[in-house]
Amino acid sequence: DAGITQSPRHKVTETGTPVTLRCHQTENHRYMYWYRQDPGHGLRLIHYSYGVKDTDKGEVSDGYSVSRSKTEDFLLTLESATSSQTSVYFCAISESTTSDTQYFGPGTRLTVL
Amino acid sequence: GENVEQHPSTLSVQEGDSAVIKCTYSDSASNYFPWYKQELGKRPQLIIDIRSNVGEKKDQRIAVTLNKTAKHFSLHITETQPEDSAVYFCAASSTGRRALTFGSGTRLQVQP
Repeated sequence: DAGITQSPRHKVTETGTPVTLRCHQTENHRYMYWYRQDPGHGLRLIHYSYGVKDTDKGEVSDGYSVSRSKTEDFLLTLESATSSQTSVYFCAISESTTSDTQYFGPGTRLTVL
Repeated sequence: GENVEQHPSTLSVQEGDSAVIKCTYSDSASNYFPWYKQELGKRPQLIIDIRSNVGEKKDQRIAVTLNKTAKHFSLHITETQPEDSAVYFCAASSTGRRALTFGSGTRLQVQP
């Protein structure tokens, strides 16, 4: 597996609380992505980053924000968690414009009560 | 934006049979088509990919075909084994779009 870690791996929180998920890579890859996975929907893109401080929205970005202050870290924040954000969150990385191949982290299972 | 549809949603085959999963995409600019395998509780793992300048690619028992005119691509697994049981996802992206758009997945069960 590519050098990607996610933390925490599991989290249970309450509606209305802020939550931050972390993705850390040791591959020095330029692109990083956050997806959420829900039954029947496959994986859907939340946000992605194409460099330090460079981010863009995906198809399901409402309620989420991201930050990337270092090449190796990409943070996903739920400002005020809702039950609809209960999901498994995957981070992915890809090397550069010459390679589209994406490698996934182990995932974070988030439950919002 | 891109839309990727995947069929069937579930597929059950006998060990040794072949399995075929099909995907269609909407954006003619898409030029990269990977397939991922995801076992229960694990991360998606790339198993094969194809770019738009080729029509077919093989890797042992796995092959992918691409028809750009019809905007569809398929995953073929021959001589299936119980360890092939998993959820398979197709995806598409373009050089300009970067991020992958995934199909909704196919649960493959290989019966021993």
